Amino acid sequence: ETGVTQSPTHLIKTRGQQVTLRCSSQSGHNTVSWYQQALGQGPQFIFQYYREEENGRGNFPPRFSGLQFPNYSSELNVNALELDDSALYLCASSGRTSGGPYNEQFFGPGTRLTVL
Amino acid sequence: AQKITQTQPGMFVQEKEAVTLDCTYDTSDPSYGLFWYKQPSSGEMIFLIYQGSYDQQNATEGRYSLNFQKARKSANLVISASQLGDSAMYFCAMREGTMAGGTSYGKLTFGQGTILTVHP
Repeated sequence: ETGVTQSPTHLIKTRGQQVTLRCSSQSGHNTVSWYQQALGQGPQFIFQYYREEENGRGNFPPRFSGLQFPNYSSELNVNALELDDSALYLCASSGRTSGGPYNEQFFGPGTRLTVL
Repeated sequence: AQKITQTQPGMFVQEKEAVTLDCTYDTSDPSYGLFWYKQPSSGEMIFLIYQGSYDQQNATEGRYSLNFQKARKSANLVISASQLGDSAMYFCAMREGTMAGGTSYGKLTFGQGTILTVHP
């Protein structure tokens, strides 16, 4: 099985800019979730995509948006970047297309975003 | 109220000894799942072990076991025979709700984490 991959690994942006982060889900998984992890904190759920639609969202403003593609990969877009958006962004894939166990939730290596 | 509470900001253990990392949770949903993840300094979240709310037995995965006490709403992680490579941040997380057929709700609620340091 191919694991969850994310790109880029690191990114530096300035306040007000827009950013797109990418995630390829683990083979056989059809659901992608995104998390934001600030330094020293646990990850916070941003949203989940299933069948190319957002079907769950955490407490994040609309400037955080996403997409899921037919191959189950996903993008996280953040507009009008703020200093507090500096964090590690983690993507997780789950939900076997074959209808297997529901307890799988595998994470990618993350993208570290710095907003200056 | 915190849904997942990890009361130990840091723990120290001697190599080859066992260590227990505490986790308590709060939910009114009868169907939920509890996860433990390891996060080394590299940042990747590594899945360790899972316990479902209806599972009759405590989960075990190699050196990891989960001490699940449903009435007390606790799900402590036990690492036996600690190794130097076990030094990392450990997170307890919960997923609430029943999964519909064919879907998997990806919302995990995480605790604040416990930093484990294994001494030689």
